[in-house]
This record gives sequence, C-alpha cells and structure tokens, in this order.
Amino acid sequence: IAGITQAPTSQILAAGRRMTLRCTQDMRHNAMYWYRQDLGLGLRLIHYSNTAGTTGKGEVPDGYSVSRANTDDFPLTLASAVPSQTSVYFCASSAKAEETQYFGPGTRLLVL
Amino acid sequence: GQNIDQPTEMTATEGAIVQINCTYQTSGFNGLFWYQQHAGEAPTFLSYNVLDGLEEKGRFSSFLSRSKGYSYLLLKELQMKDSASYLCAVRDSNYQLIWGAGTKLIIKP
Repeated sequence: IAGITQAPTSQILAAGRRMTLRCTQDMRHNAMYWYRQDLGLGLRLIHYSNTAGTTGKGEVPDGYSVSRANTDDFPLTLASAVPSQTSVYFCASSAKAEETQYFGPGTRLLVL
Repeated sequence: GQNIDQPTEMTATEGAIVQINCTYQTSGFNGLFWYQQHAGEAPTFLSYNVLDGLEEKGRFSSFLSRSKGYSYLLLKELQMKDSASYLCAVRDSNYQLIWGAGTKLIIKP
C-alpha cells in the first residue's frame, strides 16, 4: 500500500542522546517535510526538502538536522536531545512543493 | 507576523450542521487547506481553496474569501465519527504551510 511510514512509533530518550527519526515514502513525491505538533499550537515546520539533494530550514530548525540522499527517505536527527524537543513528529510529502501534503502516522518522542 | 485563528473547541449534535471558522493574516496567499485529525492520528486532507467561493465535497464544504482573510468548513449531517480536530492551513508566498492550532469538534448524540 502506497504511503508514508515513520519509525519508531514512539520513543523515550534521555536528554543529551542522539536520535534519528526515520521517514520513507513510496509515492515518488519530490517534496518532503518534518513538522512537530505540540498541544495548543499549530503544526510547526522544522525542515523541508523540495527535491532529492536539497534541504531547507523551516520555522523551528534549531537542534535538528536532515538529509535527503534519495527521493524516498528523509531522516530527521536530533544531535543532542533536550526536554523541549518532547513532541509528536510528523513527516509529510507532496508531489511538488505547491501541491497537497500527505502525512505519515507520526513519532511520539519523550525526552527526559 | 503570520497568524491563523480558529476556535479552540466546538460542540455539536449528531445529525446537525456545524461551521468552523478560520481567519488568517499571512505574507502572501497561495491557497488554504483544511485537514481532519482524529486523536492520536495523522492529519488527513479534506479540502483546498485558492479562489473565492464554496467548494463542496459530499457532507463537507469549504468557503474562502481572500479579501476578508476568512474561510469556513461546513460539516452537514454530523456523525459521531466526525469527532476530531479540524486544522486550517494557509500556503504563504514561500509555498510553506502556516497552520492554525486546530478546532476540536465534539459530537454529542
């Protein structure tokens, strides 16, 4: 079934640890995105990639990095996790930057 | 700054009609989206408006007025499964989506 997968589903992480959230899509979409969703706030864009080999910073990029080595994968790395990075992380993709975004199931991250 | 406003929570009765409003102030406008998000799940796409007027899709309709910076989502013949959060998002001049905090819709029998 075509779509977006994310791993892990949930994670408890000690502060200071490094963590990579994985995102894979099989729709051959050019654009991919990472958002975080916190209670009472709208989705906030962390990083995006309009095409393989390129990435850009969103609204809240500090403490996060991404890479886009190929069309399908867009991993998000927390170099040294802090409690304020406790959130639900959603990966999304769209055929092109100007088209509708479709979301993965999310990763629930708790940083202690 | 950029801002999307929508009510935090609304309650409606099964079988009734509900209108969820969204007002926005953004740097540029390249379309407005509505998404549905059930608790603990991912947002799913409902509708897209880029021109003024009403777009109808089954029980759901979405309206846009660009001059007023205003949209609404209209849900008819409400069902219990419509209990969810409804997210309004505007695509700005950089083609990035700016999101509202969402409206939690509670359906009562």
